[in-house]
Amino acid sequence: GAVVSQHPSWVICKSGTSVKIECRSLDFQATTMFWYRQFPKQSLMLMATSNEGSKATYEQGVEKDKFLINHASLTLSTLTVTSAHPEDSSFYICSATDAGGVSSYNEQFFGPGTRLTVL
Amino acid sequence: EDKVVQSPLSLVVHEGDTVTLNCSYEVTNFRSLLWYKQEKKAPTFLFMLTSSGIEKKSGRLSSILDKKELFSILNITATQTGDSAVYLCAVVGYGQNFVFGPGTRLSVLP
Repeated sequence: GAVVSQHPSWVICKSGTSVKIECRSLDFQATTMFWYRQFPKQSLMLMATSNEGSKATYEQGVEKDKFLINHASLTLSTLTVTSAHPEDSSFYICSATDAGGVSSYNEQFFGPGTRLTVL
Repeated sequence: EDKVVQSPLSLVVHEGDTVTLNCSYEVTNFRSLLWYKQEKKAPTFLFMLTSSGIEKKSGRLSSILDKKELFSILNITATQTGDSAVYLCAVVGYGQNFVFGPGTRLSVLP
């Protein structure tokens, strides 16, 4: 149980295009989903927290208009990288929890990640 | 099917104790194993292991990988209350996909 999937697993796009990444909880309802971006030396940066049916909460320094997050249902959240540029190339990982809130971090289930390459 | 198993899932110790966290895995075309510490927000990277038998050390934390037996351990000596967190093990396989374990929740009591 507690499986989180991401699609696509790898995407290559041209500069200026938009890319949508899906995060799905397969066997549980995810009240909260988190989006991370991997940086050099393997560190993961939390980009935003999204709760089903409400606007995402973005971390400081993350552009809301560039990284659009939609959590339309209890099993699906999407991250759209708008007008992607080469510096957006990275590994994007989502996680989901059915307990809600940062205090339940121990119940986060991570997806396999999506590698974005912007040419 | 790729999977990562961590044990124990939860652990309570007192300050000064030494703990060993376990991570076993089955993954296609293993590339690396990573340990993270997660407190409130994003997991903090601890170690990346790619070769068997080579211990990586950072202060009171150390980790080693056994690619033959498909497991890794994370040791924390002289634990402190600040070590309380969830410790995540993730394995990177073919295509660089991540497979995370469920985490071990460590609580260090004063």
